[in-house]
Amino acid sequence: KNQVEQSPQSLIILEGKNCTLQCNYTVSPFSNLRWYKQDTGRGPVSLTIMTFSENTKSNGRYTATLDADTKQSSLHITASQLSDSASYICVVSVDMRFGAGTRLTVKP
Amino acid sequence: DGGITQSPKYLFRKEGQNVTLSCEQNLNHDAMYWYRQDPGQGLRLIYYSQIVNDFQKGDIAEGYSVSREKKESFPLTVTSAQKNPTAFYLCASSARTGGDYGYTFGSGTRLTVV
Repeated sequence: KNQVEQSPQSLIILEGKNCTLQCNYTVSPFSNLRWYKQDTGRGPVSLTIMTFSENTKSNGRYTATLDADTKQSSLHITASQLSDSASYICVVSVDMRFGAGTRLTVKP
Repeated sequence: DGGITQSPKYLFRKEGQNVTLSCEQNLNHDAMYWYRQDPGQGLRLIYYSQIVNDFQKGDIAEGYSVSREKKESFPLTVTSAQKNPTAFYLCASSARTGGDYGYTFGSGTRLTVV
């Protein structure tokens, strides 16, 4: 069983709308949790990193939350743009366990 | 600009052939990694290297080989023993091993068996 589960597997939204992606993990011990954005055919690029003591971290229109007690994280995208279309990957360390990602498509 | 470069971007292999994927970084990172990405699955670790002339098997090392003769370079060879090599391969580097050090990824190589 994958130690990092992401949902939904794919999501389609209209430009300008908000959305929230989920990441549940069972990885232990926990060091930090990262969200990456991966454009099609490219390598992942880091969006946010949160340690155990952090609950929220923002990067422009991206806001990540972390509940270390329930082992859940979310990535909220505000006012989506066409360029947000990508896969979003949750990564939990210590030993960098990758989720399968959520494929987001933003339509005009 | 510092970064990590993978080549080629696309690679085609005939069955029974070995192919080598290149990965070069100028970030002065000690650690380098190779991952395989398949649709619907998370990245899976093939091999990693913490220092020059040393490397360790990851979760799916069978059918692959690596070398680390220089700090900057970590080539991956996909051998004929790898029965299902068609995938997207990502190389990454970090200052040290361990999740506290962020990864920088290359742009990937898409390998197709023809």
